[in-house]
Amino acid sequence: GAVVSQHPSRVICKSGTSVKIECRSLDFQATTMFWYRQFPKQSLMLMATSNEGSKATYEQGVEKDKFLINHASLTLSTLTVTSAHPEDSSFYICSARFRDRSTDTQYFGPGTRLTVL
Amino acid sequence: GQSLEQPSEVTAVEGAIVQINCTYQTSGFYGLSWYQQHDGGAPTFLSYNALDGLEETGRFSSFLSRSDSYGYLLLQELQMKDSASYFCVLNRDDKIIFGKGTRLHILP
Repeated sequence: GAVVSQHPSRVICKSGTSVKIECRSLDFQATTMFWYRQFPKQSLMLMATSNEGSKATYEQGVEKDKFLINHASLTLSTLTVTSAHPEDSSFYICSARFRDRSTDTQYFGPGTRLTVL
Repeated sequence: GQSLEQPSEVTAVEGAIVQINCTYQTSGFYGLSWYQQHDGGAPTFLSYNALDGLEETGRFSSFLSRSDSYGYLLLQELQMKDSASYFCVLNRDDKIIFGKGTRLHILP
C-alpha cells in the first residue's frame, strides 16, 4: 500500500507552547487528507478534513483557531496545536485519501503521540 | 444523521472463523470499508465494498447489503496476530465516518 509519513512520532512539550505535526503522502498526490485524534481504547475521532488549496473543514466541537491545518501542497498537510494544554495530550493520526472507480482507501500515517506537561 | 453500530468486543479461538457485524444509518454513502488497528499503531486498510455482495482478500472477506443497511467482516483461519481492533467505515463524498471499533480477542 501507499506510504504516508508523519513527523514527529512523539513530542513532549510544556503547556502554552505550540506544536506542529507534518503529514506527507509519499506515493500519490492526495487532494484530501484527514486529521484524527484518538484516546486510549477509543475509536478515531475525526477532527478535520484538509483539502489542498482550500480551508480545512472542521468537525463540530473542534476549535479551528486552536488546531490550525494547512494543506499547501498535494503531498503535505500540517496540523499545529496552538497554546497546547494537558487536555490536548493524545494520539494524533493523519491519513491521505485515495479514490478511484474501484476503491476509496485511506492510508494512515504512523501517528504522533503528544504529551503536554 | 448517520451512525454505525458494531460489537465492542468479540472473542474467538485460533484457527476458527469469526464474523464482525456492522449496521448503519446514513442518508447516503457510496462504500463501506474495514480497517484494522493494532494497539499503539495506525489503522490499516483491509477491504472496501462499493457494491452489494462479498469481497474476498485472502483470509479476510467483507460483505455489504444496502437493502439491509448491514455489512460484515469475516476472518478465517484466525491467527494470534489478528488480535486487534476492527473498524467499519462509511465512505461519503463529504466525509468518512468511523465506527467505534470491535476489539477481537483470540484464544490459543
